[in-house]
Amino acid sequence: KNQVEQSPQSLIILEGKNCTLQCNYTVSPFSNLRWYKQDTGRGPVSLTIMTFSENTKSNGRYTATLDADTKQSSLHITASQLSDSASYICVVGHTGGYQKVTFGTGTKLQVIP
Amino acid sequence: GAVVSQHPSWVICKSGTSVKIECRSLDFQATTMFWYRQFPKQSLMLMATSNEGSKATYEQGVEKDKFLINHASLTLSTLTVTSAHPEDSSFYICSARAYGLAGVRLATDTQYFGPGTRLTVL
Repeated sequence: KNQVEQSPQSLIILEGKNCTLQCNYTVSPFSNLRWYKQDTGRGPVSLTIMTFSENTKSNGRYTATLDADTKQSSLHITASQLSDSASYICVVGHTGGYQKVTFGTGTKLQVIP
Repeated sequence: GAVVSQHPSWVICKSGTSVKIECRSLDFQATTMFWYRQFPKQSLMLMATSNEGSKATYEQGVEKDKFLINHASLTLSTLTVTSAHPEDSSFYICSARAYGLAGVRLATDTQYFGPGTRLTVL
């Protein structure tokens, strides 16, 4: 069964601190992995996308890593800001069908002053 | 580039009425659009895949007669919730797979999401 599990479920950090979110998946065959940021009451916004051959991708203060062997990914946020407060969703695409994706349940991040 | 809009952003309706939600790709063509539903504190759940000019493909458990999808053009898909009931209250989000955008390099296999529509059925 294709599954994407994220941890922690929720996280509270102080402004300026770094944090790392985890994503483990059992999707097969694997095509790509994406991290999205979803603000409350808004649609998800793409942060990074990585294919099988990529093991790291950065977007500003966001850095995603991918280990296709262990089927794990992480999203590292550097120097967090209050605006980083949101849900972060890991989405894994299946090979051969862009229409086939499996969503993680997300990590809710709250950055406090 | 790659902006997806939804209208309305929120709607409140009486039980039994029908509600139409529009999803537009503003600066690119989308041969395929997806409709999701998201309940509070839950992940997005795919309802259906909409292909321009053909019938939508519904996920298991989603009533096609209740959730009517029309993808009449490469930039517009609509979701109509017919005879809405309180249990249909949810956050509905569409996404579009980018087909092409002149002068702008788009990531392949990326879905661009709309801002969502909050539906409340009284």
